[in-house]
Amino acid sequence: EAGVAQSPRYKIIEKRQSVAFWCNPISGHATLYWYQQILGQGPKLLIQFQNNGVVDDSQLPKDRFSAERLKGVDSTLKIQPAKLEDSAVYLCASSSGLESTQYFGPGTRLTVL
Amino acid sequence: AQSVTQLGSHVSVSEGALVLLRCNYSSSVPPYLFWYVQYPNQGLQLLLKYTSAATLVKGINGFEAEFKKSETSFHLTKPSAHMSDAAEYFCAVSGGLTGGGNKLTFGTGTQLKVEL
Repeated sequence: EAGVAQSPRYKIIEKRQSVAFWCNPISGHATLYWYQQILGQGPKLLIQFQNNGVVDDSQLPKDRFSAERLKGVDSTLKIQPAKLEDSAVYLCASSSGLESTQYFGPGTRLTVL
Repeated sequence: AQSVTQLGSHVSVSEGALVLLRCNYSSSVPPYLFWYVQYPNQGLQLLLKYTSAATLVKGINGFEAEFKKSETSFHLTKPSAHMSDAAEYFCAVSGGLTGGGNKLTFGTGTQLKVEL
């Protein structure tokens, strides 16, 4: 079965610019997660969707980050405007339910100059 | 609330030697525990998970981990290291059936180096 797909794989922008990342989860997976992984740290959950509803966005910096999963399938994470400290790998994961194993995509490496 | 501490950000072993990566957790509810591996420029791959069944959990690639409640530990071991095991390893905890939402809290990772 196909895994979690993410694009782009790499992105370089200047601070104050906007950027968007796309994720397509494993087919049939109702739960989708976005994580931020800063160099030298473990991934940190930004937002979790169950179908097209938000389960947890307590660690999402809502003044600049937004995410949507309009049809309960693929998802977009946006940063506007970007700051230097947003440089990180953004990982998308999906699971078949709230208690199930999470499967991760390859990530998008963002560099903010 | 849950948290994970991984002791040793870098571990180096010889090929064929025992691999031991340490993880201690803190959880206010019975935890689910996970080990993930991350190869360069790739996402995380699940090695094994503990979900309150057997305390000794066997995973892929010859890895296993033992849940020790009295020590709040979930250390990862492999009897004989292979060059292909060189990667970064993350321990993670979630609240399981009572914790709600399957939110994973990760440790800071341990970089495993395997030398000839």
